[in-house]
Amino acid sequence: AQSVTQLGSHVSVSEGALVLLRCNYSSSVPPYLFWYVQYPNQGLQLLLKYTTGATLVKGINGFEAEFKKSETSFHLTKPSAHMSDAAEYFCAVSGTGNQFYFGTGTSLTVIP
Amino acid sequence: EAGVAQSPRYKIIEKRQSVAFWCNPISGHATLYWYQQILGQGPKLLIQFQNNGVVDDSQLPKDRFSAERLKGVDSTLKIQPAKLEDSAVYLCASSSHPASSTEAFFGQGTRLTVV
Repeated sequence: AQSVTQLGSHVSVSEGALVLLRCNYSSSVPPYLFWYVQYPNQGLQLLLKYTTGATLVKGINGFEAEFKKSETSFHLTKPSAHMSDAAEYFCAVSGTGNQFYFGTGTSLTVIP
Repeated sequence: EAGVAQSPRYKIIEKRQSVAFWCNPISGHATLYWYQQILGQGPKLLIQFQNNGVVDDSQLPKDRFSAERLKGVDSTLKIQPAKLEDSAVYLCASSSHPASSTEAFFGQGTRLTVV
């Protein structure tokens, strides 16, 4: 079975500071991992995904994530937060049959 | 390329009434999903179609929820009768391939309020 756990339902950072959103996964098979962002009253937009190959994955808007098998983690980072990064972020793992299992989400607040 | 289209964007109904949501996936996408997102939670899969066949509906409350995907393109999700706890955003998504490495593209969702 596949599942993800997002640590911290709310994260606040100052503009220009490092963003770190945590995600740990559980999977009985090699995982495919995704980060999605959701702006208010919008659907989910893919930020980045890990399938195979390089464990450091770069996505849109300056975000990146590192797959660490030994830690079963896929944390999302951005070196310098921008006001426009304020949103809800979801980590997801894809299971057999391409079914997505989402975490409970982390709400990111950027303080000017 | 047009994205996933959903309608309506918002719907308010009284409990025990019925409601239907419509989804038009990205052209050529064989896999279609319906998710329920309750406020403060992550999306929960309700049903997954591959073309016009159901792959997984294990979390669909079948006593009140139904979904169909005629001709393997558009899909409709229906709730009858609605309960207060059905208040949520209903998200439709599609993907081009059933492989687990393929991402899903989401529509803007339909926000349902049951009063």
